[in-house]
Amino acid sequence: GENVEQHPSTLSVQEGDSAVIKCTYSDSASNYFPWYKQELGKGPQLIIDIRSNVGEKKDQRIAVTLNKTAKHFSLHITETQPEDSAVYFCAASNRGNQFYFGTGTSLTVIP
Amino acid sequence: DTEVTQTPKHLVMGMTNKKSLKCEQHMGHRAMYWYKQKAKKPPELMFVYSYEKLSINESVPSRFSPECPNSSLLNLHLHALQPEDSALYLCASSQDPDYDTQYFGPGTRLTVL
Repeated sequence: GENVEQHPSTLSVQEGDSAVIKCTYSDSASNYFPWYKQELGKGPQLIIDIRSNVGEKKDQRIAVTLNKTAKHFSLHITETQPEDSAVYFCAASNRGNQFYFGTGTSLTVIP
Repeated sequence: DTEVTQTPKHLVMGMTNKKSLKCEQHMGHRAMYWYKQKAKKPPELMFVYSYEKLSINESVPSRFSPECPNSSLLNLHLHALQPEDSALYLCASSQDPDYDTQYFGPGTRLTVL
């Protein structure tokens, strides 16, 4: 089956700096890669996703890059703000209803 | 609107109780999911309903019983739970079983005494 690794497990950045979270996957058949943000006491919120036919996708301060050859994808957050502090999960999917989640990254943005 | 609602928000129950969790979406999605999430861990898939039929059961103990009364509602019936079942229970939905974007609800925080 698929195995998704996520690094780092914790990340602290100064407000205004960039944050990068990386995930690797094992199954070359995976073709959908979402990123979720989970704030304390809340459910995961989809913040950006990318499909295997695209190398990069951007939405304001958030971007995701995908390297299919190396089987890794990354989340980039620029100009971080305190409200970006949360746990971020990556996931990979090779069929519609089965997600394989990474282990999560706890991001703290220091004001 | 990508809203999935869940009730109750919090639930405390004894090991002999019977309770139910409810999930609702009005996006016309035809696939709905139950996940269990322990603290500091990613969500773990429990059940998948596709077009109101159970399509995936990830070897979940029978003390958890899912039900999909209609295309907008998903229930999780709980009976004779153990303290280790305490967790955040998340519901999610997607447009259809073959379309992968899943939207999660806020979860029900369950404590089993």
